[in-house]
Amino acid sequence: RKEVEQDPGPFNVPEGATVAFNCTYSNSASQSFFWYRQDCRKEPKLLMSVYSSGNEDGRFTAQLNRASQYISLLIRDSKLSDSATYLCVVFTNSGYSTLTFGKGTMLLVSP
Amino acid sequence: DAGVTQSPTHLIKTRGQQVTLRCSPISGHKSVSWYQQVLGQGPQFIFQYYEKEERGRGNFPDRFSARQFPNYSSELNVNALLLGDSALYLCASSLYQLAGELFFGEGSRLTVL
Repeated sequence: RKEVEQDPGPFNVPEGATVAFNCTYSNSASQSFFWYRQDCRKEPKLLMSVYSSGNEDGRFTAQLNRASQYISLLIRDSKLSDSATYLCVVFTNSGYSTLTFGKGTMLLVSP
Repeated sequence: DAGVTQSPTHLIKTRGQQVTLRCSPISGHKSVSWYQQVLGQGPQFIFQYYEKEERGRGNFPDRFSARQFPNYSSELNVNALLLGDSALYLCASSLYQLAGELFFGEGSRLTVL
């Protein structure tokens, strides 16, 4: 089982749609979780952290289920500018700290 | 304020050659990490340096090495290049060693022929 697994997509949605991405991780000792966004041929940028209680940032909602080792990202009212690859990232501190990235899920929002 | 800067932005090498990639972190950031991103994949962790010491190493062969200088800038060296080393090499800086928020540079795109 891969450390961090994501559906690569692409997810093709119209503007205004709601879309959800899922991610599973294999290391139960992982401590922190994040979603990063990467535009085509650009560097990744932090979108939001993911907390056990769930957290929201505008149109974006992230959820964490530690028991199922599952992370989700919900985007409401999709905009054209949301088109990007969304990377699920898991932080583990096992002697040294490691950020493990998933392969990413590509989102394409169309007019 | 300047973000993370990397050089060179693009380079082409042939198999067997050696390459050195450079990174300057955000001012005040003491941690630098290196990642390799192959097309269609997420970034893969190579090294982390904090306060000039190696604090983490990913699953890469010994052909890959790195160091961090007193000014916190860093170099990544790759010897005996293989075709499979062609990738985007990303440098990321953070304030602390144990940090989930990384600030990435635009990367160095290496092509090995």
